[in-house]
Amino acid sequence: DTGVSQDPRHKITKRGQNVTFRCDPISEHNRLYWYRQTLGQGPEFLTYFQNEAQLEKSRLLSDRFSAERPKGSFSTLEIQRTEQGDSAMYLCASSLQDWDQPQHFGDGTRLSIL
Amino acid sequence: GESVGLHLPTLSVQEGDNSIINCAYSNSASDYFIWYKQESGKGPQFIIDIRSNMDKRQGQRVTVLLNKTVKHLSLQIAATQPGDSAVYFCADERVSNFGNEKLTFGTGTRLTIIP
Repeated sequence: DTGVSQDPRHKITKRGQNVTFRCDPISEHNRLYWYRQTLGQGPEFLTYFQNEAQLEKSRLLSDRFSAERPKGSFSTLEIQRTEQGDSAMYLCASSLQDWDQPQHFGDGTRLSIL
Repeated sequence: GESVGLHLPTLSVQEGDNSIINCAYSNSASDYFIWYKQESGKGPQFIIDIRSNMDKRQGQRVTVLLNKTVKHLSLQIAATQPGDSAVYFCADERVSNFGNEKLTFGTGTRLTIIP
């Protein structure tokens, strides 16, 4: 499978715990994006990387959220001290850095906070 | 603020008929538009895209139309099949000197194909 891979697919945790998600982009893609999607809504942008540099962060990304892409390949998204409102699908996408290159999405990590 | 929205939240179409899904956007600076299909439990799947200097683009059974005057985008699916049942999102992207940037999605239209 050469698409975007996300792990885990599902995560259930208690409020207050920390969670970490991983995304492996399509191998030749140097741009990587994180989005959050709640039920019945479209995905909302969180942050994106060009290689290892984090270029933009949404105001949705509170200080409890941190994303890294240390070697410009896979990325991790960590949520500290999870809250009920963090329950959502977390989607990762990747693309080439070029004009009119569509973002390709993984199947996401569904986070449920008890 | 900037938004990409849809006219109808749900659409039911008889199998074999054509379907049209509409979308309005508000940011006149948008350069690039994409339609995604999302099936239950999966991530958005790229269908077709169009750049702002075009008004029509065709793919396999799908056509995207862009009307910049009224900031309207539509997705036409020909000869619908049961596998077309899904939620469809339009999204816009602003292109900077550094390449494509973040997508702004609408809330989606749920398309149901009736056998």
